[in-house]
Amino acid sequence: DARVTQTPRHKVTEMGQEVTMRCQPILGHNTVFWYRQTMMQGLELLAYFRNRAPLDDSGMPKDRFSAEMPDATLATLKIQPSEPRDSAVYFCASGLRGETQYFGPGTRLLVL
Amino acid sequence: AQSVAQPEDQVNVAEGNPLTVKCTYSVSGNPYLFWYVQYPNRGLQFLLKYITGDNLVKGSYGFEAEFNKSQTSFHLKKPSALVSDSALYFCAVRDPPGTGGGNKLTFGTGTQLKVEL
Repeated sequence: DARVTQTPRHKVTEMGQEVTMRCQPILGHNTVFWYRQTMMQGLELLAYFRNRAPLDDSGMPKDRFSAEMPDATLATLKIQPSEPRDSAVYFCASGLRGETQYFGPGTRLLVL
Repeated sequence: AQSVAQPEDQVNVAEGNPLTVKCTYSVSGNPYLFWYVQYPNRGLQFLLKYITGDNLVKGSYGFEAEFNKSQTSFHLKKPSALVSDSALYFCAVRDPPGTGGGNKLTFGTGTQLKVEL
């Protein structure tokens, strides 16, 4: 049963610390998406990749957030430095040829 | 730019009754439309999609959705609700290929479905 995996599932950190979230897309999928979900803003697209190349990161605060795909089996989302307003659930999703996206279980981040 | 609207924050229905969760969309050209469900503390799960063909699309867990081009709607339905269907439901839309929207999905704000005994 292929699925998207994300680590860590939960992260508590202090303001100013670096946070790295990892995602393993479904094998063979060529598009990877990062979303953030909060009660106030709902589900927001932060960035997405196709064939490991970044296509759109317009939803991401550039000064502190960065997203990369070092290889086809790993996508990372980093926040440096983290702030309390970054507290949210971060989801990774993958897809093939841009149709159905399959979501991971999310990383629940709390920045104190 | 593409957009979707889910006009109801919450829908309450009794178990065994039919349910409808509403969604309207705005997109250039013919839309790709999706429904996802999110259970507490879980990621979004794909339910069904419409790309082309029959206006009535059948999906997982007995759900179906009806595409109505004239009303620009894609309402989610189920003939008989279960308590276990209680969850947050998201409608999403993307532009078809070649229209400049890329692979991005635009999600609605979500509708909380509560099914009671």
